[in-house]
Amino acid sequence: DIAMTQSPDSLAVSLGERATINCKSSQSVLYNSTYQDYLAWYQQKPGQPPKLLIYWASTRESGVPDRFSGSGSGTDFTLTISSLQAEDVAVYYCQQYYGIPLTFGGGTKIEIK
Amino acid sequence: QLQLHQSGPGLVKPSETLSLTCSVSSAFFRSSSFYWGWIRLPPGKGLEWIGSVTYSGTTYYNSSLQSRLTISVDTSKNQFTVTLSSVTAADTALYYCARGRYLSAGWFDSWGQGTLVTVSS
Repeated sequence: DIAMTQSPDSLAVSLGERATINCKSSQSVLYNSTYQDYLAWYQQKPGQPPKLLIYWASTRESGVPDRFSGSGSGTDFTLTISSLQAEDVAVYYCQQYYGIPLTFGGGTKIEIK
Repeated sequence: QLQLHQSGPGLVKPSETLSLTCSVSSAFFRSSSFYWGWIRLPPGKGLEWIGSVTYSGTTYYNSSLQSRLTISVDTSKNQFTVTLSSVTAADTALYYCARGRYLSAGWFDSWGQGTLVTVSS
């Protein structure tokens, strides 16, 4: 199984400031034949199901604000919120789909400082 | 617009079988471009993929649950169902159904509202 490790577990950021979440996979999720990284990011607000933000490590889902961006390749990935808004308070998860079982990171909780 | 509606009991006794159904409101259910999955969120933990099924009935299971798990699809009703037998307190979680994209093991772009399942006598 591919283990996904997120850091930090929680993060307090001032409104308007940048938030950065890291995700590391136990093996590369870069598929050589497609040159794509098989990684997605989700946002989960209290009382709501997860919401897809990004897939292919850096492709934003339709309707997701452009302050959310994904980067990285291979085993190391980053989700960046360029200017934190109050509505961004949530838990964020990464997920690999390179192999079965699909696996998620443990989550990173973002709060307002 | 795609909607996924979950149904099933919120309380299951230890050693019994958990069964949840997800009803899909859209003709997308019949598309080979998507697949259908179950994911759970145990209290205080992260998301765990349970398994997935395609419209044609091909299944993919998390090996950690495989011996107790069945996921099936009813194309006539636009529904898919998860059953987990011999449940214990460790199966207590918020269970979600979701639509998957990219072959039969990709990301999930639409989610049900979630069902809190508690395993307790």
